[in-house]
Amino acid sequence: DAGVIQSPRHEVTEMGQEVTLRCKPISGHNSLFWYRQTMMRGLELLIYFNNNVPIDDSGMPEDRFSAKMPNASFSTLKIQPSEPRDSAVYFCASSFQGGFGGELFFGEGSRLTVL
Amino acid sequence: AQRVTQPEKLLSVFKGAPVELKCNYSYSGSPELFWYVQYSRQRLQLLLRHISRESIKGFTADLNKGETSFHLKKPFAQEEDSAMYYCALSRMGGGADGLTFGKGTHLIIQP
Repeated sequence: DAGVIQSPRHEVTEMGQEVTLRCKPISGHNSLFWYRQTMMRGLELLIYFNNNVPIDDSGMPEDRFSAKMPNASFSTLKIQPSEPRDSAVYFCASSFQGGFGGELFFGEGSRLTVL
Repeated sequence: AQRVTQPEKLLSVFKGAPVELKCNYSYSGSPELFWYVQYSRQRLQLLLRHISRESIKGFTADLNKGETSFHLKKPFAQEEDSAMYYCALSRMGGGADGLTFGKGTHLIIQP
């Protein structure tokens, strides 16, 4: 397995534009997590899904952010409209929840720059 | 709400010296604690978890509930240990609720 796959790896956009980040979790994993990493705030959990259902989105900063998981192999994080303060590295992680462990496996991240 | 604190942003030690990366947490329940590591140009990955009571790459960490700490230790540092280290907490078993991370400590091992 290639691990958690995120795209794009790098995105530069202008303020006001829509940004869509994509994630393909590891096959067989049933939980998916979106994190945002900044120098000031570190790694913040934005939202997570269990069996494709959003469980907790309390970390989503505001209504401009939305996330979907239409099936077990794909998730998106959308920012509309984007703002310069959204510049960060966005990580997706997946895990198998159902027994001991539940280790999170992270993607390589999507570095977003909003000008 | 739970919180994880890593007081040192940067820690530099010489090869062969002991290493201790500090982690303190605040949570009213019984959390699970983890250490994750990110080597240069690699993904963030699990190093160890307190419930396993294992030693990985020579690192150990003991959960001290009285001091609410989960410090990471290694008796003799090696150059390949240079990386970013993140302490993380889960309120539920195995991180089912996602993990709350500290801001990380950049460990540099000097030759």
